[in-house]
Amino acid sequence: LAKTTQPISMDSYEGQEVNITCSHNNIATNDYITWYQQFPSQGPRFIIQGYKTKVTNEVASLFIPADRKSSTLSLPRVSLSDTAVYYCLVGDLGDMRFGAGTRLTVKP
Amino acid sequence: DADVTQTPRNRITKTGKRIMLECSQTKGHDRMYWYRQDPGLGLQLIYYSFDVKDINKGEISDGYSVSRQAQAKFSLSLESAIPNQTALYFCATSDSPKSGVETQYFGPGTRLLVL
Repeated sequence: LAKTTQPISMDSYEGQEVNITCSHNNIATNDYITWYQQFPSQGPRFIIQGYKTKVTNEVASLFIPADRKSSTLSLPRVSLSDTAVYYCLVGDLGDMRFGAGTRLTVKP
Repeated sequence: DADVTQTPRNRITKTGKRIMLECSQTKGHDRMYWYRQDPGLGLQLIYYSFDVKDINKGEISDGYSVSRQAQAKFSLSLESAIPNQTALYFCATSDSPKSGVETQYFGPGTRLLVL
């Protein structure tokens, strides 16, 4: 089970780009990296997933270096509604586990 | 996600009572999960099921049991509720991925208070 380490909290301002880095030093060859977003009193919601290099969708980008021991979720031009907890998960099939996540607070 | 429903949404019970939380999904997914979340913390996996005949314990299964009545239904039971089981409970589903790994879809949660 690959363990992940993320900052506990981050603050940002509206319109800024936010980068949240996750460390996963013992990631296995078959493991993918998945990020979820959770608003208060709601279930987590899938944001993005990747294996290597860069993945981009309409919500975020995910940067994964060649050694895959870390990954960075990038949120472009955040708004107040992006205030949430962001979870980094690493693993395959039923092995993925949610840690405490990163609590992002976007200020006006 | 409206495709994953949980009942009840809120429940207050007393210590020692047996209660059941229910989850239904219309996504046609094979895999279903139960998580609990304590205030300010991440989600902990209680049980998961990869199909109707497959039930697996998660990180914190003690004090809980589950039943997979059908592909679409996965129930969580607290045999004898205790106050430290007060938490927010989430059901999730996922499908066997063609590539990558599974994406989980979560229900709205059940807030349980054990007095």
